Amino acid sequence: QKEVEQNSGPLSVPEGAIASLNCTYSDRVSQSFFWYRQYSGKSPELIMSIYSNGDKEDGRFTAQLNKASQYVSLLIRDSQPSDSATYLCAVNANYGQNFVFGPGTRLSVLP
Amino acid sequence: DAGVTQSPTHLIKTRGQQVTLRCSPKSGHDTVSWYQQALGQGPQFIFQYYEEEERQRGNFPDRFSGHQYPNYSSELNVNALLLGDSALYLCASSLNPTTGQETQYFGPGTRLLVL
Repeated sequence: QKEVEQNSGPLSVPEGAIASLNCTYSDRVSQSFFWYRQYSGKSPELIMSIYSNGDKEDGRFTAQLNKASQYVSLLIRDSQPSDSATYLCAVNANYGQNFVFGPGTRLSVLP
Repeated sequence: DAGVTQSPTHLIKTRGQQVTLRCSPKSGHDTVSWYQQALGQGPQFIFQYYEEEERQRGNFPDRFSGHQYPNYSSELNVNALLLGDSALYLCASSLNPTTGQETQYFGPGTRLLVL
C-alpha cells in the first residue's frame, strides 16, 4: 500500500516568517512529487512540482526533495495571511496513472 | 485557455439513488482522473481514463463507474448511493502519462451530499 504522510497541523506561523511543510512517502520507486494548495471549500491548485534531488525555487516557494530519505518539503518564505490554506503533498505512482495524496497540512499565517 | 470544468457544482441525493458527474478536461489534455475527497482528508484516486478506456482503478467498489467520450470529456457514475459517498468529487486532467512527470490539473469539483 503506497502511503504519503504529512503532519495534519494546524501549523501556525506569524506573518513574514518561513513556513516549513513536510511530507514522507513509502514507495521508493516514486519519481515525481507535487505540492498543491487548497483553500477551504475549493479544489487543489498546483504550487510546484519537483523530480530531482535538491531544491527547486519559484518565487517565495522552495521545494526540497531527498529520494534516499523518501522526504519532500515545501518552504514558504515571507508568509502572508493569504497563504493560509491546506497544503497537499502528492506523489506520482505507477508512472502518472494515479497520484497518491497525503492528508494535507493546514497552515495558518497570523497577521 | 479553458481550464478543467465540472458540473454540477453541488448535488443533493438520497440513499439508493444514482448520480452522474461530468468533467471537461483542460484544452489539449487527453487524460482524465477522478478523485474523491472526504472532509478533512486528501483526495483518493478512483480511476483514470485515456482513449475512452479505464486504465487504472483505485480501491473503490463497482458502484463507481465512468466513461470517456471521443472529445476527452468524462463522466463519473455512482449507483446505490450510500451516506458515506458524501464528498467532494474532483476531476483532474493531464497529458497522457508517459514520463511520469505529467502534472494533473483539477477542476472546481462537485460537492455531493447523500441524505
